[in-house]
Amino acid sequence: NAGVTQTPKFQVLKTGQSMTLQCAQDMNHEYMSWYRQDPGMGLRLIHYSVGAGITDQGEVPNGYNVSRSTTEDFPLRLLSAAPSQTSVYFCASSSWGRVTDTQYFGPGTRLTVL
Amino acid sequence: EDKVVQSPLSLVVHEGDTVTLNCSYEVTNFRSLLWYKQEKKAPTFLFMLTSSGIEKKSGRLSSILDKKELFSILNITATQTGDSAIYLCAVERGSNYKLTFGKGTLLTVNP
Repeated sequence: NAGVTQTPKFQVLKTGQSMTLQCAQDMNHEYMSWYRQDPGMGLRLIHYSVGAGITDQGEVPNGYNVSRSTTEDFPLRLLSAAPSQTSVYFCASSSWGRVTDTQYFGPGTRLTVL
Repeated sequence: EDKVVQSPLSLVVHEGDTVTLNCSYEVTNFRSLLWYKQEKKAPTFLFMLTSSGIEKKSGRLSSILDKKELFSILNITATQTGDSAIYLCAVERGSNYKLTFGKGTLLTVNP
């Protein structure tokens, strides 16, 4: 099992550019989520999904889109990058409906917007 | 709005010391509280707590939850330099697996 994988590991964008951060998991987890982590801020939830075809907003969704066409993949799209989106992005997944389960995090994508 | 507050925000100790990290929370429909350790990469899971008064233990780390007073503590005994990390507390709201994280405690253990 590869667990949760994210690509790319690093990315530099110019203001106004768009891009997609990829996230995939091979554990057949229903629940997937995206977080951003800024210095001194902990992790903040951007969007999450409880299964294919179902997504919802988290704490900081503005400027980001998501879709979930398969159980395995949960891409995060930046429509028009802004310097405020410079951050480290983590994707996570977990089984739905299991009280004892936990979230597994991917290795992260470090994004810089100039 | 859900809130998770960790204290202290940073802490410097010497190897062998015992540390206590705090996490207080306000959340609607509480389901569980989780502790994570984050070194240079992604957070790794330490504990999940759902019931008051039951201590979870793993080696030198232990944690306990007080649902009446709405807080949890993470204890690390006989600290080692490898314990240096950010420790994150997160609270899970029931029904939708939304996690709200605190800002973390940066622990530095000096030799």
